[in-house]
Amino acid sequence: GDSVTQMEGPVTLSEEAFLTINCTYTATGYPSLFWYVQYPGEGLQLLLKATKADDKGSNKGFEATYRKETTSFHLEKGSVQVSDSAVYFCALRLKTSYDKVIFGPGTSLSVIP
Amino acid sequence: NAGVTQTPKFQVLKTGQSMTLQCAQDMNHNSMYWYRQDPGMGLRLIYYSASEGTTDKGEVPNGYNVSRLNKREFSLRLESAAPSQTSVYFCASGHPGSYEQYFGPGTRLTVT
Repeated sequence: GDSVTQMEGPVTLSEEAFLTINCTYTATGYPSLFWYVQYPGEGLQLLLKATKADDKGSNKGFEATYRKETTSFHLEKGSVQVSDSAVYFCALRLKTSYDKVIFGPGTSLSVIP
Repeated sequence: NAGVTQTPKFQVLKTGQSMTLQCAQDMNHNSMYWYRQDPGMGLRLIYYSASEGTTDKGEVPNGYNVSRLNKREFSLRLESAAPSQTSVYFCASGHPGSYEQYFGPGTRLTVT
């Protein structure tokens, strides 16, 4: 069935380090792909999206490229800040009878000064 | 513009008790969703409502009921709470075909 797999962490990095969070998916059809972020005590917020193969989504210094050949959507940031500490969820959306969104398990990121 | 609001923020129930989680959105969205979030499992869809007056089951509907009271409000009811329903519950809304779902702050429910 349709699913999303991502590294679960927790991931701990020093400020200004490079971040990669891996995400791969399995889906029938052609999904749209997303990264959502959840800051402590809050709901999820959309961070970036890509709707077709080779699209690159970007926001707040984060980037991810839709790779259809490897069914991947890895999240990267060149220099993390303490304020990036959060849980990051990879997700896919399929157009069925409703907007079916499948989330990965989430990756907890802690950035230390 | 409050976005998606949920009440209560926290709740503790005894096994067998009932309660209703409330959700409201002020963005004029047609679709609304209830998810539960459990450690290591991401978010799983409980029920959704594609438009006012319609509701459908998602991935994990057992033990829950929903009501789409009007376009703004979508409530989730636990008729007889069980410890397996201990979770964080999120309500979300969006337009059909839109890429983004907007989430509320969540309700942390503990069933003892």
